[in-house]
Amino acid sequence: DAGVIQSPRHEVTEMGQEVTLRCKPISGHNSLFWYRQTMMRGLELLIYFNNNVPIDDSGMPEDRFSAKMPNASFSTLKIQPSEPRDSAVYFCASSSSPSSWGVREKDTGELFFGEGSRLTVL
Amino acid sequence: GNSVTQMEGPVTLSEEAFLTINCTYTATGYPSLFWYVQYPGEGLQLLLKATKADDKGSNKGFEATYRKETTSFHLEKGSVQVSDSAVYFCALYTQGGSEKLVFGKGMKLTVNP
Repeated sequence: DAGVIQSPRHEVTEMGQEVTLRCKPISGHNSLFWYRQTMMRGLELLIYFNNNVPIDDSGMPEDRFSAKMPNASFSTLKIQPSEPRDSAVYFCASSSSPSSWGVREKDTGELFFGEGSRLTVL
Repeated sequence: GNSVTQMEGPVTLSEEAFLTINCTYTATGYPSLFWYVQYPGEGLQLLLKATKADDKGSNKGFEATYRKETTSFHLEKGSVQVSDSAVYFCALYTQGGSEKLVFGKGMKLTVNP
């Protein structure tokens, strides 16, 4: 089975340009998460969706960042305009939760991560 | 709120050394506990998990036991290999809560031959 798929794997852009990162979650998963990882800050949760609806975007750094999930199989994270301090590895992850099962079942919360998109803003 | 505290390192060991990475947690309710591993240039992947007190998770020679009385989930391996060099994250999840994993800060392990 395919895992979480992210694109591009690497992106180098100049300050001020728009950057769009893409994610395809595992089929059947109803929760999707965007993380950012840097040496200085470690792993940070930016935003997560449940059933395509943004639930918690408190980690989004500022208005330059936006995320969408138009359907269950696709999400984007956009940075406009980009700045050098946005340079990081961005991870997408997905999981399933009881709301997708409709039954009372132990939800372990296990996350499945993509391989990440390494962004460099010059 | 929920939180995880783990050793941050970095730690350097020789091959075949014993490894312990401490992890303690604070949580409401009954969390599930996880260890994730991130190999160089890759995303995080689940190493092992435990969903209730006294459960032991194990995988690839690593073990961790869910200790409710000490709110701990320490990761151990009896004999590390060079291929174990990675960053290790402890995490917890509480069902019915915010529906997101809470991660520790991660610990970088380097194993030298």
